[in-house]
Amino acid sequence: HVQLVQSGAEVKKPGSSVRVSCEASGGAFSSYPFSWVRQAPGQGLEWLGGSIPIFGTANYAQKFRDRVAIYADKLTTTAYMQLSSLTSEDTAVYYCARGLCSSPSCKENYWYFDLWGQGTLVTVSS
Amino acid sequence: DIVMTQSPDSLAVSLGERATINCKSSQSVLYNSNNKNFLAWYQHKPGQPPKLLISWASTRESGVPDRFSGSGSGTDFTLTINSLQAADVAVYYCQQYYSTPYTFGQGTKLEIK
Repeated sequence: HVQLVQSGAEVKKPGSSVRVSCEASGGAFSSYPFSWVRQAPGQGLEWLGGSIPIFGTANYAQKFRDRVAIYADKLTTTAYMQLSSLTSEDTAVYYCARGLCSSPSCKENYWYFDLWGQGTLVTVSS
Repeated sequence: DIVMTQSPDSLAVSLGERATINCKSSQSVLYNSNNKNFLAWYQHKPGQPPKLLISWASTRESGVPDRFSGSGSGTDFTLTINSLQAADVAVYYCQQYYSTPYTFGQGTKLEIK
């Protein structure tokens, strides 16, 4: 039974960076796409970007492209999201979420999310 | 970017009645090569992560009650919840996974009347 377990809440100063982790326990890791989705207070869901660990590549929403990095450690089955140049507008709950592949090679991959981490609250405040 | 627009923003329905939520995409999310709509629906309750209800516009996830159904194609989609229960109170989101950035609707808040 696969679970995604995220790191704990963070409080950061404006201008700093934050790294959130997401450990996949109990199942395959590298052959799935992973994404990061956030929800700011009172707002909806927003996709930041994603990665497929076996390919070692990532793609990002244009809005975050110059300050987000998404990557994975296949040995520890952990995905990471690092967001830099934080402002108060980055205060949000950040979720990791797993997509699907149609085959073990993941040549056809689908970015709807059947498994989510519990969420990590990142608060940016001076 | 594909813009997803849901209606209504909020909805109050009596227990046992039907709730209908609409989702419109700014461009078609139907992939012609496999005739599939790249559209998902999620249920989101406070303090919990979103839960996938439906993928491919109409394929219900394992364990999701058959009171939940999805329909539509191209740019217009509907989530229908029959026989509304108290446990269905949540915010519902549609999401397109046709092209990046993968985008969500603004959400529809479902309450009990």
